[in-house]
Amino acid sequence: GQNIDQPTEMTATEGAIVQINCTYQTSGFNGLFWYQQHAGEAPTFLSYNVLDGLEEKGRFSSFLSRSKGYSYLLLKELQMKDSASYLCAALDSNYQLIWGAGTKLIIKP
Amino acid sequence: SQTIHQWPATLVQPVGSPLSLECTVEGTSNPNLYWYRQAAGRGLQLLFYSVGIGQISSEVPQNLSASRPQDRQFILSSKKLLLSDSGFYLCAWTPGELSYNEQFFGPGTRLTVL
Repeated sequence: GQNIDQPTEMTATEGAIVQINCTYQTSGFNGLFWYQQHAGEAPTFLSYNVLDGLEEKGRFSSFLSRSKGYSYLLLKELQMKDSASYLCAALDSNYQLIWGAGTKLIIKP
Repeated sequence: SQTIHQWPATLVQPVGSPLSLECTVEGTSNPNLYWYRQAAGRGLQLLFYSVGIGQISSEVPQNLSASRPQDRQFILSSKKLLLSDSGFYLCAWTPGELSYNEQFFGPGTRLTVL
């Protein structure tokens, strides 16, 4: 079956760095997405990786290892507004997104 | 620029009542359209997707149905709601000609079935 695993909840301190991990098992693979979702709102796109390696975009970076079925989202210089759920989603061979349950990130002052 | 609309924003319905949620996209043609449901504290569950007018694929057997009467309109319906239908319903779109693009989400409809 197809499966996405990510931690349910993480806590970090304002100004610090946090890494949110995601492992995936899909029928075929056409890339991995990270989305941010604030409580009560729709998800918004953060990053897309299809090749191995690190993609950096401001304070956020995303890493992919296709051989390990593994990705992480790295958030630097954490701000209170980064408190949200972070959703990992893999694109399978039919170009359908398989979604993880999301990681709730709590930022403390 | 493209925008996606969903209505209503919130809805409270009794068990056994009908449902109709509407989604429209502006500023693009022939989009792929998706309906998701998100239970509290959970990930997104794909309900239906459509690659064109009248073309609907169902991912989960249930008492919901979807229709696409126009190119940029996607409707989610039910004849009789169940308690388990409560959740946050999200409509999303991607450009029809490219499969790798991110999905753009509407603001969502929060449905409570009592």
